[in-house]
Amino acid sequence: AQKVTQAQTEISVVEKEDVTLDCVYETRDTTYYLFWYKQPPSGELVFLIRRNSFDEQNEISGRYSWNFQKSTSSFNFTITASQVVDSAVYFCALSEDNYGQNFVFGPGTRLSVLP
Amino acid sequence: DTGVSQDPRHKITKRGQNVTFRCDPISEHNRLYWYRQTLGQGPEFLTYFQNEAQLEKSRLLSDRFSAERPKGSFSTLEIQRTEQGDSAMYLCASSLNWGLSGNTIYFGEGSWLTVV
Repeated sequence: AQKVTQAQTEISVVEKEDVTLDCVYETRDTTYYLFWYKQPPSGELVFLIRRNSFDEQNEISGRYSWNFQKSTSSFNFTITASQVVDSAVYFCALSEDNYGQNFVFGPGTRLSVLP
Repeated sequence: DTGVSQDPRHKITKRGQNVTFRCDPISEHNRLYWYRQTLGQGPEFLTYFQNEAQLEKSRLLSDRFSAERPKGSFSTLEIQRTEQGDSAMYLCASSLNWGLSGNTIYFGEGSWLTVV
């Protein structure tokens, strides 16, 4: 069975600080996909990144970066120089199958960036 | 706006009433999903469609829940005889076939249901 754990329930940082959101996953498949979504107060889940299990290369996109380590089953997300607009709930998700259904989401981490 | 749209955004209903939510996916997407999210939790999968065919249903989808996608475009999710435990946000999402966009699913803003 697949499972996603986000141990940090809530994080508060002051603007311009760096912050890392942790994600640990469990799966028995060798092929799987990992995702991060952002959910601002409006409710919409905004897609941030997708990573497949064959690609452990870390990725940077502006102030966002992702560290995928299969050895520890982790897919951590770092925001550099955080801004108030980054305040949201962030979800890590895992998909095992080839058809894209049945994503399993973690419980989410609520990030508050204080001015 | 070409994203996933849901209607209504908020619904308050009395216990025992029926409610229906509508979802319009991104136009070229042939897969459509329904998820449910309760406060403090991540979204939970309910069901999904490939065009008009409903291919999978979660155990969360009780007999009081029915989803349709009659023409392979928009979808409706109906909850009959609502219970207070049905209070949640119902999220719709859509995606292209696997391999074209790598199974990434795009979500709407959700429909909040409060059963009083």
